[in-house]
Amino acid sequence: GAVVSQHPSRVICKSGTSVKIECRSLDFQATTMFWYRQFPKQSLMLMATSNEGSKATYEQGVEKDKFLINHASLTLSTLTVTSAHPEDSSFYICSARASGEDYGYTFGSGTRLTVV
Amino acid sequence: AQSVTQLDSQVPVFEEAPVELRCNYSSSVSVYLFWYVQYPNQGLQLLLKYLSGSTLVKGINGFEAEFNKSQTSFHLRKPSVHISDTAEYFCAVRALGGSYIPTFGRGTSLIVHP
Repeated sequence: GAVVSQHPSRVICKSGTSVKIECRSLDFQATTMFWYRQFPKQSLMLMATSNEGSKATYEQGVEKDKFLINHASLTLSTLTVTSAHPEDSSFYICSARASGEDYGYTFGSGTRLTVV
Repeated sequence: AQSVTQLDSQVPVFEEAPVELRCNYSSSVSVYLFWYVQYPNQGLQLLLKYLSGSTLVKGINGFEAEFNKSQTSFHLRKPSVHISDTAEYFCAVRALGGSYIPTFGRGTSLIVHP
């Protein structure tokens, strides 16, 4: 079945630094990738939708200059948290949709970001 | 727009007992329905989905769900749970056509006790 690889699984960084999270579709071409943020004991909050080769579409309230998303190829999307602060600490999850796939999204295993 | 309500934030149950996790949705158009499971510090895994046809849908790990259009519900059931079923379960809905972005419920934490 479809597999999405997300790295790193855990990262600890100092306040003020930037962190890059990668999301790769291993055996299919992902025309669309989604980035979610999940707070403890809560549901997934959609941050942005990225389509290969175009700018990401951010949800209301999500700072696009802080959460940089790049979808440079059909198999790779990256989320960079710039100038991270402790309040950015969270669980970030990506998911991917294959071309022509109208249902069933494949999720990455998530990244636990801790900013100290 | 669609919305999903998972009425129970937490469901404790003993091992080998049956369980039902409730999900109700609201939508002005026809929808696809999904159940996902999330184990600690992991992403979401698709358990099952309803697209059309039979209202009883069988998924992985012995789970099944029944779509009830009149009650706008899609409850998840398992006749006998295992300790390993302890996880967070999310119901999601997506409208046919239009945006393909799913809407998730808040999740139900299933806790299986020995």
